[in-house]
Amino acid sequence: AQSVTQPDIHITVSEGASLELRCNYSYGATPYLFWYVQSPGQGLQLLLKYFSGDTLVQGIKGFEAEFKRSQSSFNLRKPSVHWSDAAEYFCAVGGGNKLVFGAGTILRVKS
Amino acid sequence: EAGVAQSPRYKIIEKRQSVAFWCNPISGHATLYWYQQILGQGPKLLIQFQNNGVVDDSQLPKDRFSAERLKGVDSTLKIQPAKLEDSAVYLCASSLTPGAAANTEAFFGQGTRLTVV
Repeated sequence: AQSVTQPDIHITVSEGASLELRCNYSYGATPYLFWYVQSPGQGLQLLLKYFSGDTLVQGIKGFEAEFKRSQSSFNLRKPSVHWSDAAEYFCAVGGGNKLVFGAGTILRVKS
Repeated sequence: EAGVAQSPRYKIIEKRQSVAFWCNPISGHATLYWYQQILGQGPKLLIQFQNNGVVDDSQLPKDRFSAERLKGVDSTLKIQPAKLEDSAVYLCASSLTPGAAANTEAFFGQGTRLTVV
């Protein structure tokens, strides 16, 4: 069975600064990897996904993520954070008919 | 394209009462998921349907939770009787094909926030 670890519960960055949210997964086969964002009171919105091919994937809202098989990681990055990016971010791994989520990282943006 | 619809958005009930949530997935999506998201945690899968059959309900507390997907479209999740620890957001999601296939992307509804007092 797959599992996902998001080591950081909270992260605070200044507006305009770069961002990296960490995600480590465990799965015995090639995983399908996702990042979702959840604003307060809202459902989850897909930011980006990795199925195969280029290990650097681009998503919406200027986000990107890099799949590193050797490190079992799929970290999310953004070069310049905007105040509207404050939300909770979830990494998820899919495979074997299952989609499993990490516990999430809450991003706070300070001006 | 219409998204995943859920109702109600909010529900407050007393413990030992029953409650039901409704989900209408995106048209044509074969797979439907119900997730429970407790405050401060990631979504946890309760049950997954493929059309009107259950694919995975290993984490569904079957003594009090039940779910059905009539005709492979709409779905209802019921809790009877509710406990305090059932307070959570219940998310419904749908995807075009099962999780193992390339089209694994799941689309989520806004959720139902349940408070049990």
